[in-house]
Parts: sequence; C-alpha cells; structure tokens
Amino acid sequence: DAGITQSPRYKITETGRQVTLMCHQTWSHSYMFWYRQDLGHGLRLIYYSAAADITDKGEVPDGYVVSRSKTENFPLTLESATRSQTSVYFCASSAYLEAFFGQGTRLTVV
Amino acid sequence: GQQLNQSPQSMFIQEGEDVSMNCTSSSIFNTWLWYKQDPGEGPVLLIALYKAGELTSNGRLTAQFGITRKDSFLNISASIPSDVGIYFCAGQNFGNEKLTFGTGTRLTIIP
Repeated sequence: DAGITQSPRYKITETGRQVTLMCHQTWSHSYMFWYRQDLGHGLRLIYYSAAADITDKGEVPDGYVVSRSKTENFPLTLESATRSQTSVYFCASSAYLEAFFGQGTRLTVV
Repeated sequence: GQQLNQSPQSMFIQEGEDVSMNCTSSSIFNTWLWYKQDPGEGPVLLIALYKAGELTSNGRLTAQFGITRKDSFLNISASIPSDVGIYFCAGQNFGNEKLTFGTGTRLTIIP
C-alpha cells in the first residue's frame, strides 16, 4: 500500500529494555521525521533526516537513536526505555513543505 | 528553541457556531501551516500559508499569516460534527522542511 506506515501500533515494554519503532514510506520523500505527542506539549521533534545516511537532532533527542540506511525506512530506537518515554510516537515524511504522518505508535513503558 | 503558543487550549461549542484560534511564536517563520488530528490518527494538513499577510481559504476554513510573521489565525465557519479533533499550527523556515508545532487546540462540539 502506498503511504507511510508505522509498526507496531501499540507496544508495552519494561523499563531498561531496548525497543525499536519502525517507519516505512513508499513515496521516496527525502525528509523523514520522528515526533512524540504528549498532553500539554503538542508534537515535539525527536530526530529528523534530510536523506539516507543524514540525520540530525530535534528538540528532544536524549535517549533515542535513529538510522536511515535506505530512503524509505527510518527506525527509532529507545536504547534503554524509561517511563518518561511513554508517549505516542509519530513518523512523518515530507516533500515540498507538506508533511504526511503515519498513524502513530502508542508506547507504554512500565 | 522556537516555541509556538496556541490558544485556546480547548473549545466547547455548539454545532453551527464559528470557531477562531490562534498561534503565536517567539520568532519569525517563513511558512505557517495548520493541521488537524482526528482521534487515533496522525495529523493531516489543512492549509499552508507562504506570505506575510496572506489570507487563504479551504472550504469553511480560513487562515491568515500574520504580518509580523510571528503569528497565524485559523477560523472555521458553521462548525459541523466532523470538525471535532485537535488543531495544530506549525511553523517552518526556508532551507529546512522540519516543522515546529504548537501545543494544539482541542475542539469539542456539544450536542
């Protein structure tokens, strides 16, 4: 299917575990982003990528790692999950100023 | 970093009423955008504004790019039940496609 897909949709993990959220887009957009959404904070940028092998920090990068070996994939890894990383995570891709968002991954860290 | 303040945080209105919300920034943006998020979904672009002073409509939605480039406004006329959701403003600058989002306005329609 065309578009941008995130997996899993829901994830529960324990404190200290590593977890990876996946993001895949079929448009070959050069830019991809990871945001987290929390009540009272709106959407905050974690990391973004302008192209394969080019990534940069956003507003709240601590505790997260990204990679982008292929244009279509942009996984987000929480190296050692903490309760404060409980959130809804959105991946997006962008071309010509319009960003398209995935459906989100709801992550709970217990 | 840049911060966008959106107001109001929430609105409770009756069907048919008009809605106004705004977004202010501590610094300028070259592009302002408005997104809507339905429950359980990612945000979807409603309107994009590219020039200071620009007024743009999309059906019942009208948005304006403030002349100082530090604010933007969104109006919804004659609200209907499917307008329920969270509305986000976002700012963007030339040379980089990353978006800075506001905190959102949650719109609820009272029966």
